[in-house]
Amino acid sequence: DAKTTQPPSMDCAEGRAANLPCNHSTISGNEYVYWYRQIHSQGPQYIIHGLKNNETNEMASLIITEDRKSSTLILPHATLRDTAVYYCIYGYGKLTFGQGTILTVHP
Amino acid sequence: EAQVTQNPRYLITVTGKKLTVTCSQNMNHEYMSWYRQDPGLGLRQIYYSMNVEATDKGDVPEGYKVSRKEKRNFPLILESPSPNQTSLYFCASSFPGPEQFFGPGTRLTVL
Repeated sequence: DAKTTQPPSMDCAEGRAANLPCNHSTISGNEYVYWYRQIHSQGPQYIIHGLKNNETNEMASLIITEDRKSSTLILPHATLRDTAVYYCIYGYGKLTFGQGTILTVHP
Repeated sequence: EAQVTQNPRYLITVTGKKLTVTCSQNMNHEYMSWYRQDPGLGLRQIYYSMNVEATDKGDVPEGYKVSRKEKRNFPLILESPSPNQTSLYFCASSFPGPEQFFGPGTRLTVL
């Protein structure tokens, strides 16, 4: 099964960058890394994905290590509304979300 | 509006009474999936479907059935619900591609 390891919780000050790590040491060469977040009990929301290169979109940046065994999601200027559970996943079809990281952004 | 809909949103039922949770998407997505979410366990995949008439087990398929007779619908069937299936259920779809669109969730309580 595709499994990732994330810290259970992290804190970040509003306006600062939030860096969320993820280990995915069993990822295969053609599998993408995806990041989602979930606010309260709403359906998870897609953030970003990547294969080898670093990626950036309007929400976040994704840094993937050269060996692809880990990645970091960066929220460059965290706001209170970024408080959520963040999930790092990989795979195709059969996906395993894990427990994610609870990010708390405080004033 | 592009969306994934689930019905019902809330359901309280009793052990053994068959139920179906419907999921429908209007985005012509090929991939659809069901998840359950329990406190401390994150999201766990129940079943997924890569296309019509193609379904596969996720991590926790026991006690559930699905069908994919048409592209837009992917119902989740509990033939004989038990209290350990009390959970928050999410349906999701994608083209396929990285961005899965999730429904609003169905909160199921089995007494």
